[in-house]
Amino acid sequence: DIQMTQSPSSLSASVGDKVTITCQASQDIRNYLNWYQQKPGKAPKLLIYAASNLETGVPSRFSGRGSGTHFTFTINSLQPEDIATYYCQQYDNLPPIFTFGPGTKVNIK
Amino acid sequence: EVQLVESGGGLVQPGGSLRLSCAASGFTFSNYWMHWVRQAPGKGLVWVSRINNDGISPSYADSVKGRFTISRDNAKNTLYLQMHSLRAEDTAIYYCARDRFPVVTDMDNWGQGTLVTVSS
Repeated sequence: DIQMTQSPSSLSASVGDKVTITCQASQDIRNYLNWYQQKPGKAPKLLIYAASNLETGVPSRFSGRGSGTHFTFTINSLQPEDIATYYCQQYDNLPPIFTFGPGTKVNIK
Repeated sequence: EVQLVESGGGLVQPGGSLRLSCAASGFTFSNYWMHWVRQAPGKGLVWVSRINNDGISPSYADSVKGRFTISRDNAKNTLYLQMHSLRAEDTAIYYCARDRFPVVTDMDNWGQGTLVTVSS
């Protein structure tokens, strides 16, 4: 099975900072990689799909890039409302399984 | 507006059974694959199961295979998760989510979740 690692596990940054989270797959997953935001007590929300596509309605300060095994998620200019845990998620076709990364908790300094 | 509303959670003893439901509205339910994802208290997201739009090809995480069954009733716009032989480690919030396959493969809409607690 494909394993997903995420780093860092947590971070603190100031409002306005650029924040980057990395997700690594144990084998090539092409661009089958999505990013979700989960605020405390809430359901997850899709931010980025297929590695680099911004979901409709999501602010443009969020972005994603990568393919194969290495992916990055960036928040340009961190805002107070971005306090959340962020998860990457991959899709493997054979067999069809879906794996989430362990998550990155983002806090404001 | 897309809405997914889970129900059926509660307290169940180890070894017991429970059936979760997810009522869908605001979209053509029969056109979409659907997922169950769970989250143990204070832990991360874990994918549980997925079913395609006509209900024929389910897939499961190894941790629930043989104990959980995903199904759907497209006439009732409802997704189900039948859970048997429940264990303490199945304690979690269970979310249903919609997948936009084959356009992309992601989970673009989620319900608010239903809590399952397995304890004696």
